[in-house]
Amino acid sequence: GAVVSQHPSRVICKSGTSVKIECRSLDFQATTMFWYRQFPKQSLMLMATSNEGSKATYEQGVEKDKFLINHASLTLSTLTVTSAHPEDSSFYICSAAGTANQPQHFGDGTRLSIL
Amino acid sequence: DAKTTQPTSMDCAEGRAANLPCNHSTISGNEYVYWYRQIHSQGPQYIIHGLKNNETNEMASLIITEDRKSSTLILPHATLRDTAVYYCIPATLGRLYFGRGTQLTVWP
Repeated sequence: GAVVSQHPSRVICKSGTSVKIECRSLDFQATTMFWYRQFPKQSLMLMATSNEGSKATYEQGVEKDKFLINHASLTLSTLTVTSAHPEDSSFYICSAAGTANQPQHFGDGTRLSIL
Repeated sequence: DAKTTQPTSMDCAEGRAANLPCNHSTISGNEYVYWYRQIHSQGPQYIIHGLKNNETNEMASLIITEDRKSSTLILPHATLRDTAVYYCIPATLGRLYFGRGTQLTVWP
């Protein structure tokens, strides 16, 4: 149980393109989903927290207009990297939890490369 | 959020117990201690969590000191597939702030 699916697993695109990443909880309802970013040889960095039906809460230093998050249902959240540039190249990982204090379960991540 | 101190790296022989320590002396009363691990290029995997009592599941045991300032994750019989970076994270309301973790290497 507690499977989180993330799609796509890898994307390569040109600078200036907007990229959408999907995160789905397959066998449970996720009231809260989280988005992280991980640069090479570094730890995961929390970007934002999203609750179904409400606006996402962004961590300090994360541009909300750059990283658009939509949590339209209890099983789906999307992250759109708008007008992506090479410095946005990273490993983006989502997680989902049934309730706030339940363990988060993570997707397998999306490796984004901007040329 | 509580800060954590974990060894940068540890080794363990296959079949032996791996004991991974974590210091979280600034943990607050309502923060749980979560343990996750990340195998290279994959998303983190949940292992176990606890508030103040020791916990055990099919993957591991978690020992939390009475003052809650430190904890130890125990993998009772380590296998090669347990090689990963292990993160100890005090947290409440779900927000996980990952530190550098411990690179555990299990050798044959």
